[in-house]
Amino acid sequence: DAGVTQSPTHLIKTRGQQVTLRCSPKSGHDTVSWYQQALGQGPQFIFQYYEEEERQRGNFPDRFSGHQFPNYSSELNVNALLLGDSALYLCASSRLGRGNTIYFGEGSWLTVV
Amino acid sequence: AQRVTQPEKLLSVFKGAPVELKCNYSYSGSPELFWYVQYSRQRLQLLLRHISRESIKGFTADLNKGETSFHLKKPFAQEEDSAMYYCALEDNQGGKLIFGQGTELSVKP
Repeated sequence: DAGVTQSPTHLIKTRGQQVTLRCSPKSGHDTVSWYQQALGQGPQFIFQYYEEEERQRGNFPDRFSGHQFPNYSSELNVNALLLGDSALYLCASSRLGRGNTIYFGEGSWLTVV
Repeated sequence: AQRVTQPEKLLSVFKGAPVELKCNYSYSGSPELFWYVQYSRQRLQLLLRHISRESIKGFTADLNKGETSFHLKKPFAQEEDSAMYYCALEDNQGGKLIFGQGTELSVKP
């Protein structure tokens, strides 16, 4: 089991552009969450997907959107990129429910210039 | 409001010294608390959770509801313990973690 895998590992975008990040959850997991981790900060919850629907959302603008596919993989899309969107984006997966272990991917480093 | 506070950004100790990384939380209800660790150039990984009450790599953490704390402790630090440590609280719906800002532990030889 490869665990949670994310792509791409690193990318550089220009202000105003759009970006798509991808995530494959750990085998057997049905719930995918996305986090933003700015330098020197703890991860901040963006949103969570279950059964292809957004189940919970953190305090992020509508420029951040996502999708979950029938095979449980997920995408995070960010439109109209701002310099402040530069961060490490983490994907996490788990089984639905409280108290289950949440596994993280290695993250996608996004730099906006 | 649900919140996790890690008051120390950096904790530096010598090998063999005891370590305590502080974590305080704010949550109404029965909290689910975790410690995650991130070694250099590796992914965030679960170190331990309060419900399991187990010791991982010599670390333990006790939930103190009266003080709303979940401090991480190890009696004798090792150089390989050097890493970023994050305390996290799971929200009441499940699957959403609220993280503290993290504490960098540096264990010197």
